Order: sequence, then C-alpha cells, then structure tokens
Amino acid sequence: EAGVTQSPTHLIKTRGQQATLRCSPISGHTSVYWYQQALGLGLQFLLWYDEGEERNRGNFPPRFSGRQFPNYSSELNVNALELEDSALYLCASSLETGLFYNEQFFGPGTRLTVL
Amino acid sequence: DQQVKQNSPSLSVQEGRISILNCDYTNSMFDYFLWYKKYPAEGPTFLISISSIKDKNEDGRFTVFLNKSAKHLSLHIVPSQPGDSAVYFCAASDRGSTLGRLYFGRGTQLTVWP
Repeated sequence: EAGVTQSPTHLIKTRGQQATLRCSPISGHTSVYWYQQALGLGLQFLLWYDEGEERNRGNFPPRFSGRQFPNYSSELNVNALELEDSALYLCASSLETGLFYNEQFFGPGTRLTVL
Repeated sequence: DQQVKQNSPSLSVQEGRISILNCDYTNSMFDYFLWYKKYPAEGPTFLISISSIKDKNEDGRFTVFLNKSAKHLSLHIVPSQPGDSAVYFCAASDRGSTLGRLYFGRGTQLTVWP
C-alpha cells in the first residue's frame, strides 16, 4: 500500500513569492492534515481537510490556505512568503475522523526555503 | 502556548538497556496520546498510542504509560537497539473539541550506541 506522498521534496522561493505544496493521501483516507515544522520546534498544526471542506485551522495567518480535491489530494498555498515561513511542511492523512480517533500517517514532507 | 512538552531534547542509551522518553501536557481535556518516531529526511512514523481510559499500552518492545493525575506520559523501549536512534515526538488530542488536530512536543533525539 502506497503511503502519503508529497511534492516537491524541496522548494526554494524568494520573499514575497507564492509557494504551492501538494499532497496525495493513502488510498481510502479522506482526511488530510497539514503541519509546519520550523527548525527546533515541534509540529504546528496548520489545516485539516475532510471530504473537500476545511474542518479546522491552526493559528496561522490567512496567507496560508489550501484546498482538497475530489480525489482527496490536497494543496497548501502560502502567499506573500516571509523568511520565517522556511520550514518542513508535513502532510498527513487518516480515515474519516468521527467518534473514534484514527491515527494520522505522515508523508516525507516538503522543505520550503525562503530567501 | 506549548500544551505538550518534551523537556529533554536528547537522550543517549547503550544498546540493550531501557530507553525512557518523557512527555508532559497541560490540557486536562486531552484524551488520546500518541508517540511518533522520525528519521532524518522522512516523515514521522506512528509508533504507539494510548487512550485516557488506560494507564498502559504495550506493543512489542514499546510500552507507553499514562499518569493522568500528573499529566505525564512516558515511552519505554526495552531493549533499545541502534535502529531506534531517531527523534521521538509525543502528541496529544482532545477528540471532543480539537477537531482532528494533534498537539506535538518538540521531540527528543534518542541515540542508542553499541
């Protein structure tokens, strides 16, 4: 069974530009989560999508946005990039989150560097 | 506001001995806890979890203990192996209200030496 995949592996942008990161969940998973891991910090929750809708959002500015497509893949967009956006962006997927907790399975991440 | 804390950034243990990784949390509403392992250039891998209705969960060499009154959990690895060398993240969830999100600690780098 293929795991969560993310592209690109690395992304280099300059300040003010926009970045688009992509994620394909495990087959059968409908929930996709995005996390940011800045250097020396733990994973910070960014966004949760389920069935094409944004279900929850972490404490990040509106220039962080995303969407989930009908095939459950997802895109994270970061507009007006700032130097502190440089981080590892991790995508995770899980089965539908309902009454029971379903473990989140992570992809390898996209390393975003803002110059 | 760091609701999940791993106060030891690193731990070094000899092969064959026990590794004990600690985690503290502040939110009493957390009711599900997980440990993830992360190797360089890879995403975190789910290791083991525990619900707040239990105080212990075992899976092979890995055991997680939960002390709700102290808001503390620990991961025991016995015996430790060099392949266990990785960063270990503790994570927590309040299934009732946090709507899918996990709160992570900053991680503990475990090094198991021969």
